[in-house]
Amino acid sequence: GAGVSQTPSNKVTEKGKYVELRCDPISGHTALYWYRQSLGQGPEFLIYFQGTGAADDSGLPNDRFFAVRPEGSVSTLKIQRTERGDSAVYLCASSPVRALNTGELFFGEGSRLTVL
Amino acid sequence: KNQVEQSPQSLIILEGKNCTLQCNYTVSPFSNLRWYKQDTGRGPVSLTIMTFSENTKSNGRYTATLDADTKQSSLHITASQLSDSASYICVVSTLRAGNTPLVFGKGTRLSVIA
Repeated sequence: GAGVSQTPSNKVTEKGKYVELRCDPISGHTALYWYRQSLGQGPEFLIYFQGTGAADDSGLPNDRFFAVRPEGSVSTLKIQRTERGDSAVYLCASSPVRALNTGELFFGEGSRLTVL
Repeated sequence: KNQVEQSPQSLIILEGKNCTLQCNYTVSPFSNLRWYKQDTGRGPVSLTIMTFSENTKSNGRYTATLDADTKQSSLHITASQLSDSASYICVVSTLRAGNTPLVFGKGTRLSVIA
């Protein structure tokens, strides 16, 4: 597609459940980022992929969070044993290689996660 | 520690008025600074990018400034419109290798009312 696509757009789950959020970046973009955004806050960095590998996962809050990008395109953010504090909008962004250090990110619409 | 601070946290203005949003950063080494606009329920969209050598750049009714000496940037919106209501996020890029080079501010929430 023309832009970054994220699914689902909304996910409601119960505490303790497992959740997967998917990101389909712009075709050809090598860099992919996951951010988490709480109400009234700016995006909080989670993880950054360069191709298939996680170049920086220092933002993942704990070992319940994991992300993969097995073929260097689509990425999945996985959250185990969800907690109410995980409720947020999870934003995915991609960037072409030429723009890696310019902050030129193209964001998806986000996946709103609500943990009851 | 690399940080980006934005002010005010929120702002309400009347349609047609001007406003200025501030961004102070301590990111080093500095590569560039970008302002994003985020409409409610949407992802951020880039408005403008400022490199070290640029002082002022305009994009329609939006004018961004950068003072690399004082590490400050501003985003000025002229003749505001209802559609300007959004969060405006300042993002600074570093020249660090390896780890993600982007540092985000928390944003300024702008509400333009009729």
